[in-house]
Amino acid sequence: EPEVTQTPSHQVTQMGQEVILRCVPISNHLYFYWYRQILGQKVEFLVSFYNNEISEKSEIFDDQFSVERPDGSNFTLKIRSTKLEDSAMYFCASSAGGDEQFFGPGTRLTVL
Amino acid sequence: QKEVEQNSGPLSVPEGAIASLNCTYSDRVSQSFFWYRQYSGKSPELIMSIYSNGDKEDGRFTAQLNKASQYVSLLIRDSQPSDSATYLCAVLLQGAQKLVFGQGTRLTINP
Repeated sequence: EPEVTQTPSHQVTQMGQEVILRCVPISNHLYFYWYRQILGQKVEFLVSFYNNEISEKSEIFDDQFSVERPDGSNFTLKIRSTKLEDSAMYFCASSAGGDEQFFGPGTRLTVL
Repeated sequence: QKEVEQNSGPLSVPEGAIASLNCTYSDRVSQSFFWYRQYSGKSPELIMSIYSNGDKEDGRFTAQLNKASQYVSLLIRDSQPSDSATYLCAVLLQGAQKLVFGQGTRLTINP
């Protein structure tokens, strides 16, 4: 069964450093998303991406964040200058038609 | 203003019984509704989607939607210890891309 994959599973970084989180969505899906979940809190939407552009973003997704689909398979989330409060699980998701969204296993980001 | 509300639990149910999980949402233009299961330290796993009023059954799971009451529920029949997890209710607003999640209900099935 096709699934979303994410790398790395755990990323530790120093405050102020840049990180890139990588995702490979399900191959025939057209809609891609990033969500995050701070420990003990709700899953929160960050951004959606369709047809090679951002289609929607939340207030969390400020200028420090960017997304890219550098080739036909990868979908990345970059955080330019990490803050302590960016520590969270980051989930990539994909959808064929924009409704049912399937999540990857997540990347645990720890900012020290 | 909370958009999707769930009782955080914990909800304890004996093995073999029916577990009933509830969710209310505030936005009337919500059009699609989903239940995800999340094991501790893992990612959300889609288990049910429902789009129209009424019941939708899939194996031991039944989702129920009442748009007039802005209420969606999940029933798990013949509960198993492996059903012990946090169940997340998620709503997709009409014309929007983002899922809005509730806090989740932690379910424990007691053998």
